[in-house]
Amino acid sequence: SQQGEEDPQALSIQEGENATMNCSYKTSINNLQWYRQNSGRGLVHLILIRSNEREKHSGRLRVTLDTSKKSSSLLITASRAADTASYFCATVSSSNTGKLIFGQGTTLQVKP
Amino acid sequence: EAEVAQSPRYKITEKSQAVAFWCDPISGHATLYWYRQILGQGPELLVQFQDESVVDDSQLPKDRFSAERLKGVDSTLKIQPAELGDSAMYLCASSRPGGPKQETQYFGPGTRLLVL
Repeated sequence: SQQGEEDPQALSIQEGENATMNCSYKTSINNLQWYRQNSGRGLVHLILIRSNEREKHSGRLRVTLDTSKKSSSLLITASRAADTASYFCATVSSSNTGKLIFGQGTTLQVKP
Repeated sequence: EAEVAQSPRYKITEKSQAVAFWCDPISGHATLYWYRQILGQGPELLVQFQDESVVDDSQLPKDRFSAERLKGVDSTLKIQPAELGDSAMYLCASSRPGGPKQETQYFGPGTRLLVL
């Protein structure tokens, strides 16, 4: 069963613009992770944010976490055509088995 | 850079046939996961191994699916008999609990299964 929902389901922007994706989840978490998936390929880990962190940066990526609202956002700044992919948030529950529960994903298209 | 290997990359089979997928995790990774991803959805965990032991198989349809990791290294996922609804991408991932990135999972390229 899916943990939560991502918003929007699809996003289309011009190269150079910023892209923001949101993720909501339902249960108490240990950490939240974002993954990227190019069409028909495996998933690539982007960033992990722990439940006691509020914001994290990695290159052009900025992730925020609001545990009171059970939500997270992923911001990609200065987007490139190569950022075109599906982006998934995934949570690891407080029971810490390592099991990832994924959202439905956001499909991002960056037009050159 | 070490990667998770999976084979085959693509598999077409007829319903009621048996299929098997293979995964070789990154060397030294004790935890191995099999996920199923239906088109347009996020992956869903089928089974999780810690070394050779099953940690979580609550979402594995045990009447037709089986998974093993006999020596705690590579793993095989089997479906017998395959059904039309099994058409999906099957992803393998591995992680190294106890390390600084213990929760990071590294995914293989996946096996795309089509059941006719």
